[in-house]
Amino acid sequence: GQQVKQSSPSLTVQEGGILILNCDYENDMFDYFAWYKKYPDNSPTLLISVRSNVDKREDGRFTVFLNKSGKHFSLHITASQPEDTAVYLCAAGSNTGYQNFYFGKGTSLTVIP
Amino acid sequence: DTTVKQNPRYKLARVGKPVNLICSQTMNHDTMYWYQKKPNQAPKLLLFYYDKILNREADTFEKFQSSRPNNSFCSLYIGSAGLEYSAMYLCASSTPGGREQYFGPGTRLTVL
Repeated sequence: GQQVKQSSPSLTVQEGGILILNCDYENDMFDYFAWYKKYPDNSPTLLISVRSNVDKREDGRFTVFLNKSGKHFSLHITASQPEDTAVYLCAAGSNTGYQNFYFGKGTSLTVIP
Repeated sequence: DTTVKQNPRYKLARVGKPVNLICSQTMNHDTMYWYQKKPNQAPKLLLFYYDKILNREADTFEKFQSSRPNNSFCSLYIGSAGLEYSAMYLCASSTPGGREQYFGPGTRLTVL
């Protein structure tokens, strides 16, 4: 089965708005959670990540919230900008010594100017 | 140089023929990954090397092989390509002790 799931294939928001992207995972041994950003015809690049010892990490307009008991994490984007338009992939993995890592399908975000 | 390189960028293969894809990085990363990406699907982890140890996912165990002759290079080998292998193949590497994955540009494989 799919280890990491993103429920929304696409989202649209007006410039300046706040949006939340959600991600659920299966394996409660996962201890590392990340959001990657992908522009068309480009490879994914890391946007923000968090380890399981914290439940929140903020980096400018981007905040990751982690709910370990619910096996859920989310990405909050504030003051959205047209350049935020991209596909956002969530990913999770575990440090078993072998760093396996799984991605969601992605959420395509469009920020309308 | 923080780039991951992949060769070739595009590959055309015939059904039943072998395919060999190459990935390289010079960041001294200890882990290198191969993912398969099909349209509207999540990147699917196929296998990864942690140092010299190869780990293959259970559901793709028999379909893909890999080798890592040194820290910088990692290959993905398909012994006999089928139509279902047509996809983008992404290589990534991650920092020692860290998790950020650096992705290569991908190799688009088309099997005819």
